Amino acid sequence: QQQVKQSPQSLIVQKGGISIINCAYENTAFDYFPWYQQFPGKGPALLIAIRPDVSEKKEGRFTISFNKSAKQFSLHIMDSQPGDSATYFCAASEEGGSQGNLIFGKGTKLSVKP
Amino acid sequence: EAGVTQFPSHSVIEKGQTVTLRCDPISGHDNLYWYRRVMGKEIKFLLHFVKESKQDESGMPNNRFLAERTGGTYSTLKVQPAELEDSGVYFCASSQEKIAGVTGELFFGEGSRLTVL
Repeated sequence: QQQVKQSPQSLIVQKGGISIINCAYENTAFDYFPWYQQFPGKGPALLIAIRPDVSEKKEGRFTISFNKSAKQFSLHIMDSQPGDSATYFCAASEEGGSQGNLIFGKGTKLSVKP
Repeated sequence: EAGVTQFPSHSVIEKGQTVTLRCDPISGHDNLYWYRRVMGKEIKFLLHFVKESKQDESGMPNNRFLAERTGGTYSTLKVQPAELEDSGVYFCASSQEKIAGVTGELFFGEGSRLTVL
């Protein structure tokens, strides 16, 4: 049973466009929602994270939108650049992620075309 | 500062053989985690060490997998005997202890790719 569902599986965006990746979850005990970025041959790296007490968090060109009632959260990449091409994973955990037991989505491979 | 390092980066073994993966966490990080990604699927939690103690091993697939962290520094993950379905990328991550209720960020290594033929 997949606890965090991520879509789309792959995404192609033109340079300067907006990339949007969506995730949905079932467990209402989740209270920490990070996004990880992974380049080929590298490990996942924390990109941005949100807790359910806010509906949006922005860091540079990256924004998380969070809808607690719908149990959904999404990553928006504004002005997408070829350097953003990577695999993006959403994740969730309970207790502020203190246990490090992150539940990941299946990942979205983003390609930004010049 | 050195990041999380994993060895080997890639291992190819035959079914029934044994493989040992090693992880060196960031110095001073008490928390160490093992995750695995099977091709095309999600990254799945395997287990969590706090120093040398297993905090949570609920994700370990079966008793063919043995993780150790002697002395609370580096960790090893042994698969014996390996099966075809064990193929995947094994990630190690580490984090500092929670401070004032704030979760320590997980830092991942580059992973060890295991191919079982």
